[in-house]
Amino acid sequence: EPEVTQTPSHQVTQMGQEVILRCVPISNHLYFYWYRQILGQKVEFLVSFYNNEISEKSEIFDDQFSVERPDGSNFTLKIRSTKLEDSAMYFCASKKGHFNEKLFFGSGTQLSVL
Amino acid sequence: ELKVEQNPLFLSMQEGKNYTIYCNYSTTSDRLYWYRQDPGKSLESLFVLLSNGAVKQEGRLMASLDTKARLSTLHITAAVHDLSATYFCAVDGDRGAQKLVFGQGTRLTINP
Repeated sequence: EPEVTQTPSHQVTQMGQEVILRCVPISNHLYFYWYRQILGQKVEFLVSFYNNEISEKSEIFDDQFSVERPDGSNFTLKIRSTKLEDSAMYFCASKKGHFNEKLFFGSGTQLSVL
Repeated sequence: ELKVEQNPLFLSMQEGKNYTIYCNYSTTSDRLYWYRQDPGKSLESLFVLLSNGAVKQEGRLMASLDTKARLSTLHITAAVHDLSATYFCAVDGDRGAQKLVFGQGTRLTINP
């Protein structure tokens, strides 16, 4: 079955550094998402992306965050200057179409900010 | 603001028993999702419930949705050890946009 792939699986960085988390959504999917899960807490929506622009973003997704689809296959989340509280598991997700209801999640990138 | 509450948050049960996880949400929505998460792993879609009265079953799991009561249930029948996981419900707060609001999760442990 096709799957969403994320790299790296673990990322350790120093506070203030920039990180880029990478995702390859399922190839014929058009809608892309980032969610995050702080250890032991609920999964939180960050941003949705369609047609090369952000559709929705949450309050968490401030100016330090950006997303990009640099080519036809990758979807990236950049955090410009990481903070300790950015430590979390970041999940990429995609779905085929607006009315296609199933959302496929990647295996996640565990980001640790020291 | 849409809030999604699950209970219980922790559930330890014996194999062979039945139990129900409840998911309440605070605003009108007719799209509710159940996911399973194993430790350190991603979210696996279990059920998508799209209308009032929807009921779906897969093996020992059955999910239902009552949009009037703003309640979904996930029922486990004759539990087996490999159902041990954390189960999340999520509600689509923006019709079809998949801006999902998740519950806190129910950590289910099934003991032999």
